[in-house]
Amino acid sequence: EAQVTQNPRYLITVTGKKLTVTCSQNMNHEYMSWYRQDPGLGLRQIYYSMNVEVTDKGDVPEGYKVSRKEKRNFPLILESPSPNQTSLYFCASSLKGGANYGYTFGSGTRLTVV
Amino acid sequence: QKEVEQNSGPLSVPEGAIASLNCTYSDRGSQSFFWYRQYSGKSPELIMFIYSNGDKEDGRFTAQLNKASQYVSLLIRDSQPSDSATYLCAEGGGYSTLTFGKGTMLLVSP
Repeated sequence: EAQVTQNPRYLITVTGKKLTVTCSQNMNHEYMSWYRQDPGLGLRQIYYSMNVEVTDKGDVPEGYKVSRKEKRNFPLILESPSPNQTSLYFCASSLKGGANYGYTFGSGTRLTVV
Repeated sequence: QKEVEQNSGPLSVPEGAIASLNCTYSDRGSQSFFWYRQYSGKSPELIMFIYSNGDKEDGRFTAQLNKASQYVSLLIRDSQPSDSATYLCAEGGGYSTLTFGKGTMLLVSP
């Protein structure tokens, strides 16, 4: 089944403890992206990747890191999480740029930082 | 910066009625437009996309695009309670990322 897989689905952590949210797609998509979704603010892009080893900042990159060493994986790293990073996170992928093909989203990761 | 505007709602319609969801966008260079449905706590799901002026129909859904007015709409005919969700409008131009609106909540009452 073609899908985008995120793990974990739920995560509660403490301020400052490094964490990684994994994202993997099995559709051979070139484009991958991370979004966070907060009430009243909608979906905001954190980082995106056009292809392997090519990443760029989205609208809200502060406090996050990403890497794209393989085409299928695009992990999101929070080096020192803070409570303002409590949010619902989505990974998305697209055959190429999302503008022409739309995105397929993962199931989401609900992160709480205390 | 690109902007996509949607009325947050909720838009309330009775079962069997037509629901009309609207979206405006700021970038005249935008070429493609998408409608996503998102149930509470779930991920967005693509339901329609449209590239050309005019109407595009898929089952109970019709997307309408008017590039001159920078306006996109989604019509849902014979609305069902299962259509109750938040609908996200998104736009893109060329080989680029999508910009999403904040969504319109639709409530369909039995």
